[in-house]
Amino acid sequence: GDSVTQMEGPVTLSEEAFLTINCTYTATGYPSLFWYVQYPGEGLQLLLKATKADDKGSNKGFEATYRKETTSFHLEKGSVQVSDSAVYFCALSEASGTYKYIFGTGTRLKVLA
Amino acid sequence: KAGVTQTPRYLIKTRGQQVTLSCSPISGHRSVSWYQQTPGQGLQFLFEYFSETQRNKGNFPGRFSGRQFSNSRSEMNVSTLELGDSALYLCASSSGQLKYEQYFGPGTRLTVT
Repeated sequence: GDSVTQMEGPVTLSEEAFLTINCTYTATGYPSLFWYVQYPGEGLQLLLKATKADDKGSNKGFEATYRKETTSFHLEKGSVQVSDSAVYFCALSEASGTYKYIFGTGTRLKVLA
Repeated sequence: KAGVTQTPRYLIKTRGQQVTLSCSPISGHRSVSWYQQTPGQGLQFLFEYFSETQRNKGNFPGRFSGRQFSNSRSEMNVSTLELGDSALYLCASSSGQLKYEQYFGPGTRLTVT
């Protein structure tokens, strides 16, 4: 079945450092890909999405490109802030036409001032 | 627009009891999905409803059930609670169009003692 693999955390960075969180997927067909962020005690917030190969999703300085050839959707940000500290989830929406998401295990990011 | 709301936010139940959780989607959204989040298993898909019909179901025992009403509000029920059912239960809504993102509520934290 479909699956999503994320890099293990936690990731600890200093403020203004460059961030990369790796995400690879296995899927039949052409799924849509998403990054969600979860702050302590809250639900998931959609960060960005890409619905077809070579699409680049971007939001709040975060970017990710849908790479079909490497089945990857890595999250990047050029300069992280303390407020970016959270857990980040990579997810895919099955190509079957329903809203069943497959999530990665999540990567905890801690940014130090 | 108001976001996805879930009630109650916190719940403590005893093993063997049953529980009902409620989710009100974003106005106009017709698809509602439910997920279970635990530290050990991560985020797992429970089921999805669209226009009062269950469209997809995850790999959970029959103790987990749900329904959707004509106003798109949804409930999920867990009968004969087990300690392992302790989790954050997240509801997500979507407009129902293909490849559109889901918006998550804050979740209901269920503790089974």
